[in-house]
Amino acid sequence: AQKITQTQPGMFVQEKEAVTLDCTYDTSDQSYGLFWYKQPSSGEMIFLIYQGSYDEQNATEGRYSLNFQKARKSANLVISASQLGDSAMYFCAMRGVSGYSTLTFGKGTMLLVSP
Amino acid sequence: DADVTQTPRNRITKTGKRIMLECSQTKGHDRMYWYRQDPGLGLRLIYYSFDVKDINKGEISDGYSVSRQAQAKFSLSLESAIPNQTALYFCATSDLGGPPDTQYFGPGTRLTVL
Repeated sequence: AQKITQTQPGMFVQEKEAVTLDCTYDTSDQSYGLFWYKQPSSGEMIFLIYQGSYDEQNATEGRYSLNFQKARKSANLVISASQLGDSAMYFCAMRGVSGYSTLTFGKGTMLLVSP
Repeated sequence: DADVTQTPRNRITKTGKRIMLECSQTKGHDRMYWYRQDPGLGLRLIYYSFDVKDINKGEISDGYSVSRQAQAKFSLSLESAIPNQTALYFCATSDLGGPPDTQYFGPGTRLTVL
């Protein structure tokens, strides 16, 4: 079975600072994918970034990067230069072969960015 | 126009009523999914479909049924709604084209069962 753990219910950061949102995962699959989604207060789910288990480089998308440490089974999201619009709920998710390529989500981390 | 649409966006209904939530997509994706989101629990998979003839139960399918009417349409039904089905429901799609198989979500339907 696949499991995603996000241990930070809430995080606070000041505008323009960097913040790391933690995600650990558990799976017996050798091939899997890790995703981060953002859910602003309006409710929609926005795809941010993807990391494949065999990708040698950490994924980056603009101000988002994924700190992938395979041996530790962690896939932390790093947001650089936080903006007020980054205030949202963030979900880590995993897709593995044993789950028939469906996504398993963590419970999320609420990020609040202050001026 | 949005690639994945859900109707209705909000719905209030009474216990015991049958209700259908609809999802349409213009992304041309083969795979479609239904999730529910409850506070503090993240998203949980209800049903998924990898093509028109394929329907699979997810983690929490009891009390729900689905219909894949076409590649672009995937409906979720609550045959007899109960209050603990009050939640935010999301439809998602993905393309069968190898990794990453990213799922793209609709705007959600907020359902309240009284």
